[in-house]
Amino acid sequence: GAGVSQTPSNKVTEKGKYVELRCDPISGHTALYWYRQSLGQGPEFLIYFQGTGAADDSGLPNDRFFAVRPEGSVSTLKIQRTERGDSAVYLCASSLLGDSTDTQYFGPGTRLTVL
Amino acid sequence: AQSVAQPEDQVNVAEGNPLTVKCTYSVSGNPYLFWYVQYPNRGLQFLLKYITGDNLVKGSYGFEAEFNKSQTSFHLKKPSALVSDSALYFCAVRDARSGYSTLTFGKGTMLLVSP
Repeated sequence: GAGVSQTPSNKVTEKGKYVELRCDPISGHTALYWYRQSLGQGPEFLIYFQGTGAADDSGLPNDRFFAVRPEGSVSTLKIQRTERGDSAVYLCASSLLGDSTDTQYFGPGTRLTVL
Repeated sequence: AQSVAQPEDQVNVAEGNPLTVKCTYSVSGNPYLFWYVQYPNRGLQFLLKYITGDNLVKGSYGFEAEFNKSQTSFHLKKPSALVSDSALYFCAVRDARSGYSTLTFGKGTMLLVSP
């Protein structure tokens, strides 16, 4: 079956611009997660959705970052006034239920480059 | 706070030899432990997880991992390495104390298998 998909695969933008990154989870998965992976590091948690609501947004670095999941399926990560330090690979994952025993399945990521 | 340490940035092994990728963790409660593999320009692929029960967990592609509570370790192993196993490996932990906790990753270990 189809896995987690993310678009675009690459995004190059200029400092100060606004970007949107899209994630399409595995069908039927209620939980959705966003992570950020910088070069040479492991993924770092950003936000977790259970259904349509953000159950945990403690990983968002500041108020320039925002994410939505209006219908409980597709999610969009939005970054305002991008900075060079935002350059990273943004990974999306989904899991069936969202409890701590659940396996998270990851998409291929979006590589964001801020010039 | 929970954390994961992968003490080796890189592990080199010859094809056909056994391999071990080390992981130690720290959580307040009992751990749920995961191993993922990442190939170049691709997302993370799930290998195996320890939730409860048998300390030796078997996963995909012939990999296994041994949970050792006294040493707080969850080392990844394979009896006979393949060149195609060359990739970046991530260990991750969740705290089993509550119904939900974030997934915390280590920095990753690059495995290089030489022909």
